[in-house]
Amino acid sequence: EVQLLESGGGLVQPGGSLRLSCAASGFTFNNYVMSWVRQSPGKGLEWVSLISFTGVNTYYADSVKGRFTISRDNSKNTLFLQMNGLRAEDTAIYYCAKRDCIGTKCYSFDYWGQGTLVTVSS
Amino acid sequence: SYELTQPPSVSVSPGQTARITCSGDALSKQYAYWYQQKPGQAPVVMISKDTERPSGIPERFSGSTSGTTVTLTISGVQAEDEADYYCQSADSSSSYWVFGGGTKLTVL
Repeated sequence: EVQLLESGGGLVQPGGSLRLSCAASGFTFNNYVMSWVRQSPGKGLEWVSLISFTGVNTYYADSVKGRFTISRDNSKNTLFLQMNGLRAEDTAIYYCAKRDCIGTKCYSFDYWGQGTLVTVSS
Repeated sequence: SYELTQPPSVSVSPGQTARITCSGDALSKQYAYWYQQKPGQAPVVMISKDTERPSGIPERFSGSTSGTTVTLTISGVQAEDEADYYCQSADSSSSYWVFGGGTKLTVL
């Protein structure tokens, strides 16, 4: 059974930093592209970042580029999101999501964690 | 960046057909996906690659595409289908992923 378990959320002051983790199990982690998606309170889903199978290629939404860094440790089946320069508008539930990949072709976000809440406030 | 446009809300009576549209410039070149999200829960993929229904998704859910617009159709809507629905795709270079703003489906 595929499981994605996020951790690391919490309350942080504006300008602060936080590192999110996503522990994956139930599938061969390094065979899948992974992503972070967030949802601000009462708002819609927003794609944040995506990382390739090996971690060589990374992609970011304009809203977080230059402040957030996605990475992965395939030996530990873990996805990370380092968040620096946090702003009030970064307040959201952050979901870890696995892409449905067949070989090198990837499609939907087929499995999601339950999310971890990040609150940026003084 | 890139944007997908959905109606904010759709309302139907039980047993009727609900249609939710999603438009975006790259939808003629990129697959679209549909997700259902109920309050307090993570999203669930309902339609993959424009028209494919993943295992376990009821047959009343279907997807279609025409040019730069994709449509999620729910035939014979049930009360349990009340939820937020999001379309998702990528830009033409497959380097930027995006969700539509979401559509709240209300079952009257």
